[in-house]
Amino acid sequence: DQQVKQNSPSLSVQEGRISILNCDYTNSMFDYFLWYKKYPAEGPTFLISISSIKDKNEDGRFTVFLNKSAKHLSLHIVPSQPGDSAVYFCAASAGVNDYKLSFGAGTTVTVRA
Amino acid sequence: ETGVTQSPTHLIKTRGQQVTLRCSSQSGHNTVSWYQQALGQGPQFIFQYYREEENGRGNFPPRFSGLQFPNYSSELNVNALELDDSALYLCASARGYGANVLTFGAGSRLTVL
Repeated sequence: DQQVKQNSPSLSVQEGRISILNCDYTNSMFDYFLWYKKYPAEGPTFLISISSIKDKNEDGRFTVFLNKSAKHLSLHIVPSQPGDSAVYFCAASAGVNDYKLSFGAGTTVTVRA
Repeated sequence: ETGVTQSPTHLIKTRGQQVTLRCSSQSGHNTVSWYQQALGQGPQFIFQYYREEENGRGNFPPRFSGLQFPNYSSELNVNALELDDSALYLCASARGYGANVLTFGAGSRLTVL
């Protein structure tokens, strides 16, 4: 039962433009969300997170938006750079202290020069 | 600081055999989690260890078991291997109980024939 869904398996964007990655969830108990980034042959690395008490969190070029009523979140990367080419996983947990993460299947981002 | 290291990186087993995967946590981390990532899917939580005790388990049968040692390294054991156990197994460590900003290793790729 896939509780976190990333419906776009891949995304291609030109360098300098915005990348928008989407994520939907079904479990209403989820209230803490994270994005991880994965390069080939490496483990996922933490990118940014957001708690359900917020609707936006920003860290440099990365911004995560949360729409709790729609059970939807998105990651914006502006501007996109070639080093951003990777697989991005959306993950959710039932609280900031809940170690059990539910992951989406990932979106492969390719940034074209 | 050293990251999370896993061994072996690749291995091939036959159905019915047993396998042990190993993980060294990042320095200063006392919690370790294991995830299974099947092809085309996101990581799925197997279990977590804190202070050498299992303190949470995902939807995996008892033939998946683990250990955490006093130096916070860990093992994942899988008995009676099945074809569906073929996957990338990711180890992740964190500082403290309940932490969900995880540091992942690069994984062990298991193929069951």
